Amino acid sequence: DAEITQSPRHKITETGRQVTLACHQTWNHNNMFWYRQDLGHGLRLIHYSYGVHDTNKGEVSDGYSVSRSNTEDLPLTLESAASSQTSVYFCASSEYREGPDTQYFGPGTRLTVL
Amino acid sequence: QKEVEQNSGPLSVPEGAIASLNCTYSDRGSQSFFWYRQYSGKSPELIMFIYSNGDKEDGRFTAQLNKASQYVSLLIRDSQPSDSATYLCAVKVNDMRFGAGTRLTVKP
Repeated sequence: DAEITQSPRHKITETGRQVTLACHQTWNHNNMFWYRQDLGHGLRLIHYSYGVHDTNKGEVSDGYSVSRSNTEDLPLTLESAASSQTSVYFCASSEYREGPDTQYFGPGTRLTVL
Repeated sequence: QKEVEQNSGPLSVPEGAIASLNCTYSDRGSQSFFWYRQYSGKSPELIMFIYSNGDKEDGRFTAQLNKASQYVSLLIRDSQPSDSATYLCAVKVNDMRFGAGTRLTVKP
């Protein structure tokens, strides 16, 4: 069955370290998204991609970067982790760019920055 | 003003009752509207989407959209304890914007 996976599921790191969160989908979807979820804020879009070599900034992109070298993967990099980036991170993918495209979410990564 | 607003709850209803969840949005260019359910510690999962004014029914769930009032709602009929979760409203313009969610508790 097609799925979307994230790794690691839990990560503890220190302030200033570079961290990369992996996202891998086997849906063969063109669109992939990274969100963070914090209490009181719901899901906020960090970066997204509509295809290989395409990346776009979302609502809260500062301090994060992504690259899309193939259809299946969209890794999220925190260049220099800050305590404000402690959050739960969700990756999602969808098939269509226009209209009511359904986003399918991965299981999430809980990141703690000390 | 937040782009997508929901009452945070918690909303508590007895088993078998109708749960009504509400969402307002600010961008009149919004095209599609989604309801996701998220159990504690889990990822969001789509319940249904709607993009035309009026009602859309799927089993025990009914989504209602009123673009003139910039309002979308979700009704859950015959609520079950297994419906206890946080319900996220999402609105798509160019990208997806989520509300903070309403926590629903269905008491047996």
